[in-house]
Amino acid sequence: GDSVTQTEGLVTLTKGLPVMLNCTYQTTYSPFLFWYVQHLNEAPKLLLKSSTDNKRTEHQGFYATLHKSSSSFHLQKSSVQLSDSALYFCALSPMSNYNVLYFGSGTKLTVEP
Amino acid sequence: ETAVFQTPNYHVTQVGNEVSFNCKQTLGHDTMYWYKQDSKKLLKIMFSYNNKQLIVNETVPRRFSPQSSDKAHLNLRIKSVEPEDSAVYLCASSNYEQYFGPGTRLTVL
Repeated sequence: GDSVTQTEGLVTLTKGLPVMLNCTYQTTYSPFLFWYVQHLNEAPKLLLKSSTDNKRTEHQGFYATLHKSSSSFHLQKSSVQLSDSALYFCALSPMSNYNVLYFGSGTKLTVEP
Repeated sequence: ETAVFQTPNYHVTQVGNEVSFNCKQTLGHDTMYWYKQDSKKLLKIMFSYNNKQLIVNETVPRRFSPQSSDKAHLNLRIKSVEPEDSAVYLCASSNYEQYFGPGTRLTVL
C-alpha cells in the first residue's frame, strides 16, 4: 500500500548548523511528494512539493529533491534558525488519487541558540 | 492568510455528550477533509468529501459523521464523545495541495 516513513521523531540542533530530515515513501503509482511544517498551536502549512524526478525544489531556505530511484524526498537546510523549530511532516499523494494524502509520523525539529 | 476557517477553537465537554464542529473554506476547492491529530501529533485522515462523494476511513468509529451543505462547508459531528476523542481536529480543503484550518481542540472530561 501507499505509505510514508520518517525515521527521526526528534532532531535537536544548534542554530547555524545544517539539517536533513529523512523521508521515504512507498507507492506503486507516480508520486507527488510534499513537506508540511506545523509550528506550535498552528495549522500545518505547505513548505515544498514535487513530482519531478531529480529536480531540486526550494522554498524559504529549505530544499528537497525527489529521487524516484530511492523513493526519497529528504528535506534539507544549510543553516537552521531558531524560527525553524517546528514539526515537519512528509506526505505522499499517489497520482492515481490526488485527493488522498498520506502523512508520515512527523519530525520535531528543535533549534537551540 | 487564512482561507480555511474552523469553529470553535476549543471545546470542553463530558463523556457521552454530542459535539459539532464547523469548517468553511473560501478557496473554491472541490474536496474537503477532516483529520484527527492526537497527543503524539500523528495526523490521521478521517473523512474526505468530494462532489457529494464521501470517503470514510474505515477505522473511524461510527459516532463520527461528516455533514456538508455545499462544497464550501464540511462539519463534523460526534454523537457521544469518549475520552479517546480528545484531540485536535483539523479541517482541510484541496484541489491538489491541501490547505489546513487552525483546528479545533476537543477535551473530553
